[in-house]
Amino acid sequence: AQSVTQLDSQVPVFEEAPVELRCNYSSSVSVYLFWYVQYPNQGLQLLLKYLSGSTLVESINGFEAEFNKSQTSFHLRKPSVHISDTAEYFCAVSATGFQKLVFGTGTRLLVSP
Amino acid sequence: NAGVTQTPKFQVLKTGQSMTLQCAQDMNHNSMYWYRQDPGMGLRLIYYSASEGTTDKGEVPNGYNVSRLNKREFSLRLESAAPSQTSVYFCASSWGLSSTGKNTEAFFGQGTRLTVV
Repeated sequence: AQSVTQLDSQVPVFEEAPVELRCNYSSSVSVYLFWYVQYPNQGLQLLLKYLSGSTLVESINGFEAEFNKSQTSFHLRKPSVHISDTAEYFCAVSATGFQKLVFGTGTRLLVSP
Repeated sequence: NAGVTQTPKFQVLKTGQSMTLQCAQDMNHNSMYWYRQDPGMGLRLIYYSASEGTTDKGEVPNGYNVSRLNKREFSLRLESAAPSQTSVYFCASSWGLSSTGKNTEAFFGQGTRLTVV
């Protein structure tokens, strides 16, 4: 079985500052890794995913995440955040093959002016 | 391009009442899922359907039943609602099994906010 740990329940940051949201996973088999974002009162949207190949993956809005197999981590980073990045971010994992997603508990990113 | 559609968006039930949450997807996905979201607990899988005609329990199935009506529709039923089932419910769909990892992401509906009093 897979599990995901997001240690930070809330991360406050000022606009234009860098941010890192941490995600660690546990699995006995190979996995796919995902970051989803949830804006207030909305569903979840895929932000980025790691399937194979390059361990650094990027989203269209400036976020990136790096798969580190030795540390079983998939931390999300952005060099300069905007007010509009305020949202809850969920890390998720699925075993390769059938994609039943297991989610972490989420990290609320609060960006202030 | 509707994606995943859930109805209703909001619902208030009295303890002991029953109701069905409806979900439909128009992406021809094989697999569908029901999650509940509670503060501080992330999303937990209630039931899933890997393909049409099959359903399986997830992490928190007690108190719920599901029906995969056809490839498009996957409903969640609460037979006798309890206050502990107050939550936001999300339906999702995906292509399901993939040996290549392509098209692996799940697409989510907008959620149903359920309150049981």
